[in-house]
Amino acid sequence: DAEITQSPRHKITETGRQVTLACHQTWNHNNMFWYRQDLGHGLRLIHYSYGVQDTNKGEVSDGYSVSRSNTEDLPLTLESAASSQTSVYFCASSESSSRERTQYFGPGTRLLVL
Amino acid sequence: GNSVTQMEGPVTLSEEAFLTINCTYTATGYPSLFWYVQYPGEGLQLLLKATKADDKGSNKGFEATYRKETTSFHLEKGSVQVSDSAVYFCALNSGNTPLVFGKGTRLSVIA
Repeated sequence: DAEITQSPRHKITETGRQVTLACHQTWNHNNMFWYRQDLGHGLRLIHYSYGVQDTNKGEVSDGYSVSRSNTEDLPLTLESAASSQTSVYFCASSESSSRERTQYFGPGTRLLVL
Repeated sequence: GNSVTQMEGPVTLSEEAFLTINCTYTATGYPSLFWYVQYPGEGLQLLLKATKADDKGSNKGFEATYRKETTSFHLEKGSVQVSDSAVYFCALNSGNTPLVFGKGTRLSVIA
């Protein structure tokens, strides 16, 4: 069955370190998204991609970057981790057809920045 | 821009009670509307969706009707169970845009 996976599921890091969160999907979806979930804010969009070599900034992109070198993967990098980036991170994917707009989510990565 | 407003929680109900979680939206064009559910420690799962006005989405006893005249997509269930305890998110997108989410409503159902 097609799926979307994230790794690691839990991560503890220190302020200033670079961190990369992996997202891999086997749906063969062109669209991929990264969100963060914080109490009182729901889910907020960090970055998204509509295909290989395409990346776009979302609502809360400062301090984060992504790159898309293939269809299956969209890694999220925190260039210099800050305590404000302690959160739960979700990756999602969807087809590019305007008729099918459902996004499918991974299980999440819980990140703690000390 | 697009936005979603849903009722603040938490909501606590007794088993077999009727559930309504309100959701209203602001959007340009003709958005698709979604309800996602998040069980403890898990990611978001699609619960139901509707893609045009007057459509009714339904799944697992939950229903929501796309009301363009009131820009609403309220979630309802006639008889909740303890296993329905979760966080519920209303969301929308237009065309090929990313989803915009409400802040979520935590539901606790007690036996």
